[in-house]
Amino acid sequence: DTEVTQTPKHLVMGMTNKKSLKCEQHMGHRAMYWYKQKAKKPPELMFVYSYEKLSINESVPSRFSPECPNSSLLNLHLHALQPEDSALYLCASSPSPGTEETQYFGPGTRLLVL
Amino acid sequence: GQQLNQSPQSMFIQEGEDVSMNCTSSSIFNTWLWYKQDPGEGPVLLIALYKAGELTSNGRLTAQFGITRKDSFLNISASIPSDVGIYFCAGLEDNQGGKLIFGQGTELSVKP
Repeated sequence: DTEVTQTPKHLVMGMTNKKSLKCEQHMGHRAMYWYKQKAKKPPELMFVYSYEKLSINESVPSRFSPECPNSSLLNLHLHALQPEDSALYLCASSPSPGTEETQYFGPGTRLLVL
Repeated sequence: GQQLNQSPQSMFIQEGEDVSMNCTSSSIFNTWLWYKQDPGEGPVLLIALYKAGELTSNGRLTAQFGITRKDSFLNISASIPSDVGIYFCAGLEDNQGGKLIFGQGTELSVKP
């Protein structure tokens, strides 16, 4: 089983709303990732969690707040977003954050900020 | 951020034709991954390569890890309409904490 699940599939929010994206995997992976992707562009890394601790933050604005409650779950809390934040948000996981580890992606959450 | 040089950017081919795309980098990678992405979906892993010179097949797909560790190619034989999508190469460098470096993508269109 190489499944990463994400909810919701679609989300529309206003600039003053607070919402959360959820990601879950049951493969025993200890590294989890958030990516942002614009149409027809490659995914852009936002955060990496390694053994439930934040290990990489790619200078993401504070209106995006990640959280890793346990080894299977990864959340992305959203607050006061801008229209340019509209994108596909992808979660991924890998066995560990090593150099020879394959990353498996979820289906993504399509976010529209109005 | 850093990106791989992936080419071609797009391809329009006839069903049944073979397809080839490649990625090059100025950096050495320890792992090369090839993903396919359909509209509105997440990237799906096609092939993972872990050793320089490695040649791996997955059905009609074949990919190779370049001997210099700075390039990789993906071939698709006898293309079919469901091969349509965007193909991304991605590489993992040493000591980067799992940070994937992506190519710009190759958008494939297959005419029945």
